[in-house]
Amino acid sequence: GAVVSQHPSRVICKSGTSVKIECRSLDFQATTMFWYRQFPKKSLMLMATSNEGSKATYEQGVEKDKFLINHASLTLSTLTVTSAHPEDSSFYICSASGTSVYNEQFFGPGTRLTVL
Amino acid sequence: AQSVTQLDSQVPVFEEAPVELRCNYSSSVSVYLFWYVQYPNQGLQLLLKYLSGSTLVKGINGFEAEFNKSQTSFHLRKPSVHISDTAEYFCAVRTASGGSYIPTFGRGTSLIVHP
Repeated sequence: GAVVSQHPSRVICKSGTSVKIECRSLDFQATTMFWYRQFPKKSLMLMATSNEGSKATYEQGVEKDKFLINHASLTLSTLTVTSAHPEDSSFYICSASGTSVYNEQFFGPGTRLTVL
Repeated sequence: AQSVTQLDSQVPVFEEAPVELRCNYSSSVSVYLFWYVQYPNQGLQLLLKYLSGSTLVKGINGFEAEFNKSQTSFHLRKPSVHISDTAEYFCAVRTASGGSYIPTFGRGTSLIVHP
């Protein structure tokens, strides 16, 4: 199956700093990428959907100025958490879908963000 | 709009016993259905999916699920579980055509396999 990677897998940062998480589709062109946030023992919360070359569509309640998403190419999307605070600590997962008629999503391994 | 209900938040079971994880959905249109597994500190891995055709779907790791349209269910089963099956399991649904192709996830069921 298709492979999606995320980097870094874990990151610890100080409060007030910005953190960038990369999501790459390794063997297919991802026309759409999704960013999810997962709290402990909770399901996935969709944060935003991004299509290559256009602005991301954010879900209600997600601050677009805080969670900057860039989908500059068909294989790379980035999520930047700006001015991070401890409450931003979470597990962030990206997924990507290609041009298959079923638009199946392939998930990355996730990034554990800890803000001190 | 569509929704997914995973009736059990946690399912404890002994090793080599059978298990069923329940999933019910609601949608006014035809749907595709998915089961994903998530091991600790990892992303989601697709176990199996129903798109069309046979209502009994076989997936990886010995899991299978049956699509029941009349009961709007897509329960996941395994006849004999292993310790390594301990993980979080998510059911997801999305519309089969038109509308949003973004899936809706259930809240997850934690499968705990005891020796």
